[in-house]
Amino acid sequence: SAVISQKPSRDICQRGTSLTIQCQVDSQVTMMFWYRQQPGQSLTLIATANQGSEATYESGFVIDKFPISRPNLTFSTLTVSNMSPEDSSIYLCSVEEENYEQYFGPGTRLTVT
Amino acid sequence: QKEVEQNSGPLSVPEGAIASLNCTYSDRGSQSFFWYRQYSGKSPELIMSIYSNGDKEDGRFTAQLNKASQYVSLLIRDSQPSDSATYLCAVSGNTGKLIFGQGTTLQVKP
Repeated sequence: SAVISQKPSRDICQRGTSLTIQCQVDSQVTMMFWYRQQPGQSLTLIATANQGSEATYESGFVIDKFPISRPNLTFSTLTVSNMSPEDSSIYLCSVEEENYEQYFGPGTRLTVT
Repeated sequence: QKEVEQNSGPLSVPEGAIASLNCTYSDRGSQSFFWYRQYSGKSPELIMSIYSNGDKEDGRFTAQLNKASQYVSLLIRDSQPSDSATYLCAVSGNTGKLIFGQGTTLQVKP
C-alpha cells in the first residue's frame, strides 16, 4: 500500500486561528479523503479531495470552515479555520487503492485552547 | 438508526480464545466491507476486506459477510494480548465513501 505522511503530527492552537494540515502520498492516487476522529469517537468523513476541482463535502461540513486543496495526485491540504475547542480532534487523510480499500495516514492531533 | 452499528464493548477474551466481533449495517446497497484495527493513539490499519457473501480467511482472521441479514463479523483465532485494540467496521457503496461504526474495544487477557 501507499506510504502516507501528514504534517504536523500534532499541534496546540489558540481559538480563532487556523491550521493547515498536509497529506503527502508516495504514489499517485485518484481518491483522497479527509476524516475527523473526535476524542473517544469513531471516524467521520469530512470531504473527498478531488484533483483539479473543489472538494466534495459531507453533510455538516462546509468549505468556509474546512477548505481543502488538491493540487496534484500526491498531495492535499486541509485547513481548519477559525478554530474553537470543539475542533479538537484527530484529523486523518486516507487514500483509496484497489477494490475501494482505504489506507490512512498517521493523523494530526489538534488541540484548541 | 445508525448506519453501521457495533457493540462498543469492551469485549474481553482470554489469550488463545476466539474473539468474535460483530457489525450490522442499514444500507442494502452497500458493496464493500472492511475491518480496521486501531491501537490507542494510532491511526486505523486495514486488516480485512470482504465483498461477497461467505467467509474470507487471512491468517488468524476470518471475515464473514451475510448481505441478506446485513451482517458482517470478524473472528480472531488464538487471540493474543497484542490483538487488544479497537476494531472498526466500515462499509461503502460504489462511491468509495466509508461509513464507520463506533468500534468494538477488544481486551485479550494473558
